[in-house]
Amino acid sequence: DAMVIQNPRYQVTQFGKPVTLSCSQTLNHNVMYWYQQKSSQAPKLLFHYYDKDFNNEADTPDNFQSRRPNTSFCFLDIRSPGLGDAAMYLCATSRKFGAYSNQPQHFGDGTRLSIL
Amino acid sequence: GQNIDQPTEMTATEGAIVQINCTYQTSGFNGLFWYQQHAGEAPTFLSYNVLDGLEEKGRFSSFLSRSKGYSYLLLKELQMKDSASYLCAVKTGGGNKLTFGTGTQLKVEL
Repeated sequence: DAMVIQNPRYQVTQFGKPVTLSCSQTLNHNVMYWYQQKSSQAPKLLFHYYDKDFNNEADTPDNFQSRRPNTSFCFLDIRSPGLGDAAMYLCATSRKFGAYSNQPQHFGDGTRLSIL
Repeated sequence: GQNIDQPTEMTATEGAIVQINCTYQTSGFNGLFWYQQHAGEAPTFLSYNVLDGLEEKGRFSSFLSRSKGYSYLLLKELQMKDSASYLCAVKTGGGNKLTFGTGTQLKVEL
């Protein structure tokens, strides 16, 4: 059974048209993450929620926002997508744990975003 | 800053052994993860090392040397389904954040 679910798998939007990607989880994990992954590149952390606390990465563009209305759901909003925002967007979850814990992040299958 | 290096591509033969290296230079170190990612799919967890030495898990083993900033993933008895990208990721700081390498694309051939 899928534990981190991302919808849709493929999303096409127009240049400048706002788009929202969704992620849900059945693991009851405290922490949820959004990554951007471009072809042949490393997943790049955009931001994460530690329970309700939002943590933005310093180099994440203002164009990217996130919402977490409850433990299970997290949304990625791109206010005005540009051509450079075409990528795979990965959602991940993990438990809240100490520094040396071996608990991994659990990833969804991603949403591939195309910009026309 | 954070820097994680992996070879871009590797090719190996079915049934053989392959070693994928990862070197890192990070501010802080709280462990190193290896993930497998098939094309168009989610990364899946393979292994975690925080102490020096070898961790073995079936056909997969992972090694860490903290003093050298070095890790490797060893895959034995390669199968065609092992063709995938292998991502090295370092956990830094007291939280749960990971910094990923760009991944090594492994191709297993007959």
